[in-house]
Amino acid sequence: EPEVTQTPSHQVTQMGQEVILRCVPISNHLYFYWYRQILGQKVEFLVSFYNNEISEKSEIFDDQFSVERPDGSNFTLKIRSTKLEDSAMYFCARRGTKNEQFFGPGTRLTVL
Amino acid sequence: GENVEQHPSTLSVQEGDSAVIKCTYSDSASNYFPWYKQELGKRPQLIIDIRSNVGEKKDQRIAVTLNKTAKHFSLHITETQPEDSAVYFCAATLFGGKLIFGQGTELSVKP
Repeated sequence: EPEVTQTPSHQVTQMGQEVILRCVPISNHLYFYWYRQILGQKVEFLVSFYNNEISEKSEIFDDQFSVERPDGSNFTLKIRSTKLEDSAMYFCARRGTKNEQFFGPGTRLTVL
Repeated sequence: GENVEQHPSTLSVQEGDSAVIKCTYSDSASNYFPWYKQELGKRPQLIIDIRSNVGEKKDQRIAVTLNKTAKHFSLHITETQPEDSAVYFCAATLFGGKLIFGQGTELSVKP
């Protein structure tokens, strides 16, 4: 099944700056997820997004985070004021036809 | 909420041997259990999954077993090859919901 793509592949930012990570579906998917993975650790759920609304979010997904689908196509994760501990790989995943989840290539976020 | 424990954290085998990775989950409502393989610097890649109405599933050299009563599920890799070396993650969820991952197992297959 077709995957999603993510941009940028690597983002370096200064602490306190805003970053926007993008997930680009290849076809018209409706259900997406964002996960993060701190280096050397397990994958952690952030938020799920269905039909332009948040359906579930984790404790990690606080007021500094937001998601939207601004143009009906790209799916973005915004971190308003980055902290050092936000440094991680951020993966977008889409739901497959049998409820599987397929991960994009990820964005490596480095906060200095 | 759901909690997934995975063992061992590291596993080293000789090429051709079998490898077994075990996971336990806490929420009896979970009904979907995927396994992901993650190579260094790459995305988690779905390799096999099992649903709660099935006890075992096999795909070539990999198989997964599920014991709902004990809330255990395991990944079995037979005839391991060096390219099987990676980090393997188990996960549990209610269909379509958030994946709760285990801590990962770093598998090393020595030629």
